[in-house]
Amino acid sequence: QQQVKQSPQSLIVQKGGISIINCAYENTAFDYFPWYQQFPGKGPALLIAIRPDVSEKKEGRFTISFNKSAKQFSLHIMDSQPGDSATYFCAASRGQAGTALIFGKGTTLSVSS
Amino acid sequence: AAGVIQSPRHLIKEKRETATLKCYPIPRHDTVYWYQQGPGQDPQFLISFYEKMQSDKGSIPDRFSAQQFSDYHSELNMSSLELGDSALYFCASSPVAVDEQFFGPGTRLTVL
Repeated sequence: QQQVKQSPQSLIVQKGGISIINCAYENTAFDYFPWYQQFPGKGPALLIAIRPDVSEKKEGRFTISFNKSAKQFSLHIMDSQPGDSATYFCAASRGQAGTALIFGKGTTLSVSS
Repeated sequence: AAGVIQSPRHLIKEKRETATLKCYPIPRHDTVYWYQQGPGQDPQFLISFYEKMQSDKGSIPDRFSAQQFSDYHSELNMSSLELGDSALYFCASSPVAVDEQFFGPGTRLTVL
């Protein structure tokens, strides 16, 4: 059973466009929701994270929108650039230090120039 | 800024051999996590340690064991290696009582 469901599996966006990746979770005990960016052969890099007491968080071109009642959250990448081409993972955890991150299956983003 | 250090970066082993992966967390980070990532898959949590005690446990095979030492570095010991153990193994660390996990560059294990 996939605890964190992520869509789409792949995404192609024109340079300057908006990339949107969606995630849904089941476990209401989750209260920490990060997004990671991963390039081939590299470790996941933390992009941005949110907690359920906030509906939106913005850092530069990256925005997380969070809908607690729907148990959904999404990543928006504004003004997408070719350098953003990577795999993006959403994740969730119970929000206690030392507890596991449960990842979505990932979205491969390609930004065409 | 200092990052998580993992060694070795690449490791090739034969079936039924043993392997030891090492992780050195970011300075002043007291919690370490181990994840396994197969080709084209998401990272799967194996185990974590906080202040040298096991904190959480995931789908870690009985053939694997891990520990955290007094200097906070951690080692993942893998025995009776199988072809299916071929994967990227990531270590992550987090500071005291903080959720953010920072990943290292990974160790690519190939079992022949």
